[in-house]
Amino acid sequence: DAKTTQPPSMDCAEGRAANLPCNHSTISGNEYVYWYRQIHSQGPQYIIHGLKNNETNEMASLIITEDRKSSTLILPHATLRDTAVYYCIVRVARPDKLIFGTGTRLQVFP
Amino acid sequence: NAGVTQTPKFQVLKTGQSMTLQCAQDMNHNSMYWYRQDPGMGLRLIYYSASEGTTDKGEVPNGYNVSRLNKREFSLRLESAAPSQTSVYFCASSTTSGDTGELFFGEGSRLTVL
Repeated sequence: DAKTTQPPSMDCAEGRAANLPCNHSTISGNEYVYWYRQIHSQGPQYIIHGLKNNETNEMASLIITEDRKSSTLILPHATLRDTAVYYCIVRVARPDKLIFGTGTRLQVFP
Repeated sequence: NAGVTQTPKFQVLKTGQSMTLQCAQDMNHNSMYWYRQDPGMGLRLIYYSASEGTTDKGEVPNGYNVSRLNKREFSLRLESAAPSQTSVYFCASSTTSGDTGELFFGEGSRLTVL
C-alpha cells in the first residue's frame, strides 16, 4: 500500500493560510489522495480529494505536484475551529480501503 | 438523516468477556469499515466489507470478527476481550468501491478492557 509522510505538528495564526504538506512518493497512477481531519476525538471528517489536478471546494484547496509524489492541503483563512489532526491518505482502489497515518496536528492560534 | 450510527458509545469489559459493536448506515452505501484508534495514534483498519456478503481483513484483524448482516449493518465482535483492545472504535461507510466515494464516520465507541 502507498504510504504517506506528514509533519507531526504545525502552527498557524488565525486568518492566515495554513499549508499542510504530504509526501506520497510510492503512489500508483490510479490512486487518489484524500484529506480528512479529526477534531478532538470525533469521527474523521472528509475535506477533499484529488487524482492529478488541483481541486478546490468550500473547505480547502488541494495542490498535487505534477509527478504526484507530494501534495499540499491549503486552508485559505484558518480559524480556531480548524485546530485538528489532518490526515493525508492514499486511497487503495482494489481492494477499496483507506489507510490512515499519524497525521499532522494543526494548532491555530489567535 | 442519521448517517452512521454506532452502539454502544461507551463500554467497560473485563478481560475475557465478549461483546459486539453495532454499526448501521442509512445512506445506501456499499462499503463499510471498522477502524480502531489508540491514544495519540492514527486510525488503523480492522476489517472492511466492500459489499453485502463480503468481508476482508485490514491491518489489525487479530482478536476480532465481523458480520455484514445486510447492506445497512456491519458488526464487530470481540470474542475474548484483552486490555490491548482498549481503544476507540470507529465505523465508516462509503459509496462504490474503486471510485471516489467519501467515507462517512460514526462518532465512535469507547471501549475499556480491565
